[in-house]
Amino acid sequence: QVQLQQWGAGLLKPSETLSLTCAVYGGSFSGYYWSWIRQPPGKGLEWIGEINHSGSTNYNPSLKSRVTISVDTSKNQFSLKLSSVTAADTAVYYCARGTVVVAVDLYYYYMDVWGKGTTVTVSS
Amino acid sequence: SSELTQDPAVSVALGQTVRITCQGDSLRSYYASWYQQKPGQAPVLVIYGKNNRPSGIPDRFSGSSSGNTASLTITGAQAEDEADYYCNSRDSSGNHPGVFGTGTKVTVL
Repeated sequence: QVQLQQWGAGLLKPSETLSLTCAVYGGSFSGYYWSWIRQPPGKGLEWIGEINHSGSTNYNPSLKSRVTISVDTSKNQFSLKLSSVTAADTAVYYCARGTVVVAVDLYYYYMDVWGKGTTVTVSS
Repeated sequence: SSELTQDPAVSVALGQTVRITCQGDSLRSYYASWYQQKPGQAPVLVIYGKNNRPSGIPDRFSGSSSGNTASLTITGAQAEDEADYYCNSRDSSGNHPGVFGTGTKVTVL
């Protein structure tokens, strides 16, 4: 059974860089999109970006200039860096495993395994 | 557009049926996936693809899709189904690969 364990600093000052890592246990690392999602307090889910095992990335256009997602296949880990944080970046950050399936009619995309979430607070 | 729009809130009587909808252009290329989120917990996948349920998800949850609209139906809603529900898809144009719906709060009366 695949599990994702995530960790990183929970309290940052404005202008610092957020850094989180997610480790994949119990399953293959290849063939999936490893994703980061966040949820500000009292608000909805926001997709941040993703990376596959070969290092190909996709980012949310609204965050692209500040986001870097990287992968370490030797450790089955992937990481998120978000630079120049402000109070608006305060949120619970989740990592997740994404799958894309090419079907006959439409494509499938889903995230079936999630980390427990890391609360990140940005405050001076 | 990469947006996915959901009704903010719906209510359903215990044991009755409720349908949650999700609208967006990306749904013409990708099936929606649906996630249930309870307070203080990570989201849980409940429906993906045409109408697939992960192991452990009750069969009262079902999904459907037509054009730019996806639906999640709970048939015989239970008290434990009270939660926030989010749809998710990908933008096939490549401009915004991943996108979540605005979320629907389901209240079971």
